[in-house]
Amino acid sequence: ILNVEQSPQSLHVQEGDSTNFTCSFPSSNFYALHWYRWETAKSPEALFVMTLNGDEKKKGRISATLNTKEGYSYLYIKGSQPEDSATYLCAANAGNNRKLIWGLGTSLAVNP
Amino acid sequence: NAGVTQTPKFQVLKTGQSMTLQCAQDMNHEYMSWYRQDPGMGLRLIHYSVGAGITDQGEVPNGYNVSRSTTEDFPLRLLSAAPSQTSVYFCASSYYGTGGLGGYTFGSGTRLTVV
Repeated sequence: ILNVEQSPQSLHVQEGDSTNFTCSFPSSNFYALHWYRWETAKSPEALFVMTLNGDEKKKGRISATLNTKEGYSYLYIKGSQPEDSATYLCAANAGNNRKLIWGLGTSLAVNP
Repeated sequence: NAGVTQTPKFQVLKTGQSMTLQCAQDMNHEYMSWYRQDPGMGLRLIHYSVGAGITDQGEVPNGYNVSRSTTEDFPLRLLSAAPSQTSVYFCASSYYGTGGLGGYTFGSGTRLTVV
């Protein structure tokens, strides 16, 4: 069974702080790593899909890196804003059947 | 583009009743799936489809049926509702499997309560 773990479970930061969180996954039979942003009362929205070891992707103030050999990905938010408050989900796609396995998310609260 | 449209947004059922959650997408995605989301648990896959006429079970399929007669529609049927099926249900679609480079597109969710 493929387990995807995210840490920390929750995080409170002040506006302007930079922050990062971790997604870890078994590295065997890895195919892709997804990051999603999930605001309260809405549905998850895709941020990044990464497949290659060493991949680094960026969207505005949010970026992500991928290490498939050691089985982890970091999501970074530079200069957090209150509108960044959300749960950030990662999901790993691996194994023969290529189904996504989801982590429980990191809940980020940015205080103005 | 409407993306993924899910209906209804809210539903209350009595134990034993049946109902169908609707999901439609207009992005010509081959892959469609249904998830349930419960407190303290990650998204869990109920059923999925890799194309019209093809469906398969996810990790929690019991009590649910699906069909995929067209590329656009992927309804989820609750056969005889039970309180354990109280949850938030999401439909998600993508290009086959991993979602390609764009990831999964989710519907807005259906909050189902079974009393």
